[in-house]
Amino acid sequence: GQSLEQPSEVTAVEGAIVQINCTYQTSGFYGLSWYQQHDGGAPTFLSYNALDGLEETGRFSSFLSRSDSYGYLLLQELQMKDSASYFCAVRDPNDYKLSFGAGTTVTVRA
Amino acid sequence: DAMVIQNPRYQVTQFGKPVTLSCSQTLNHNVMYWYQQKSSQAPKLLFHYYDKDFNNEADTPDNFQSRRPNTSFCFLDIRSPGLGDAAMYLCATSSTGTASVQYFGAGTRLSVL
Repeated sequence: GQSLEQPSEVTAVEGAIVQINCTYQTSGFYGLSWYQQHDGGAPTFLSYNALDGLEETGRFSSFLSRSDSYGYLLLQELQMKDSASYFCAVRDPNDYKLSFGAGTTVTVRA
Repeated sequence: DAMVIQNPRYQVTQFGKPVTLSCSQTLNHNVMYWYQQKSSQAPKLLFHYYDKDFNNEADTPDNFQSRRPNTSFCFLDIRSPGLGDAAMYLCATSSTGTASVQYFGAGTRLSVL
């Protein structure tokens, strides 16, 4: 089975940097994904790491260390619109399913 | 422009009255998923299709059924909705080559009276 842990909530001010950690225990691993979900909206794909290292997409970056079963999502230059829930997810290598973490609610204050 | 479309956005049904939610996609993806999401929780996978091959999650109640008549459409049938079935239902798609990237529809919020 798959088990993912991430903090339940983070609060920061506009312009700050937030790091959301995700640790996982999986029977198999096929990459770590991150999704953003605004309140009342649908999850949207943010990033995917299959190999160790840092992937950068604008203000958001994602990191993976497979040896540590650990990854993080880095949100830089926080904006009010970044207030949302962020989910890490791993894919079952024997299937097409994603297992999601419980989600981290990020609140950005003025 | 929408790639995964769910209808309706909001659905109200009565306790025990069957309801069908629909999902269509323009991405030509061969994998389609149905998730249930309750407030402040992660999406919970109910089942998924790889083409017409149906894969049910072990803990999905029998009350939930699905149909996929063709690549573009997928339906979620709730045969006898209970109060506990009130939730957001999300449809998603992916291609087999990049199944870690799923594209979600806007969801249908189901209320059970």
